[in-house]
Amino acid sequence: ETGVTQTPRHLVMGMTNKKSLKCEQHLGHNAMYWYKQSAKKPLELMFVYSLEERVENNSVPSRFSPECPNSSHLFLHLHTLQPEDSALYLCASSQDRAGFANYGYTFGSGTRLTVV
Amino acid sequence: AQSVTQLGSHVSVSEGALVLLRCNYSSSVPPYLFWYVQYPNQGLQLLLKYTTGATLVKGINGFEAEFKKSETSFHLTKPSAHMSDAAEYFCAVSAGNQFYFGTGTSLTVIP
Repeated sequence: ETGVTQTPRHLVMGMTNKKSLKCEQHLGHNAMYWYKQSAKKPLELMFVYSLEERVENNSVPSRFSPECPNSSHLFLHLHTLQPEDSALYLCASSQDRAGFANYGYTFGSGTRLTVV
Repeated sequence: AQSVTQLGSHVSVSEGALVLLRCNYSSSVPPYLFWYVQYPNQGLQLLLKYTTGATLVKGINGFEAEFKKSETSFHLTKPSAHMSDAAEYFCAVSAGNQFYFGTGTSLTVIP
């Protein structure tokens, strides 16, 4: 497998559920990112990891909890979400260290999350 | 501070017509510039990028973009639109230690 792989592709969860999104990159990149994409809104950077260390957390509610066990894997743990959290969640990786993505990002296909 | 502005959230062109998607940026340092395309329920795919060197950059699917420093622009063009070009297009800038995306332009291709 190559590129950035996200699972699951679709997820429906109730507001009291706990679920996790998974991202895996097979590119040997040094940084990984979580973005939220909501309808009619710009891409929102949520979390940034560089060599497994979290370097940025853009005021994201605590009901979202990231985890980066190694440089190839990134998780987003979800609990007690709200309906407004429904969105497409995109994982990306970059060759550069975090914040210096001069080669650009490689994105996964995203997880379409619906909170009911 | 850096930022990206995409003029026109929706653009419609006829099949076979010229595609022009506009992007202007502001940056206090030399920027790296990108165009991404997103098809429905997919992630963003890199179309092309400008880092240094030649200001006219060719990308995939027949797209190209020209970096014009004097105009702080990086407009995306394609000579002849195809139905498969219908998608959302994002301009992005990397400058210093920040990466910014534009708000996107939805391209509709009319048969």
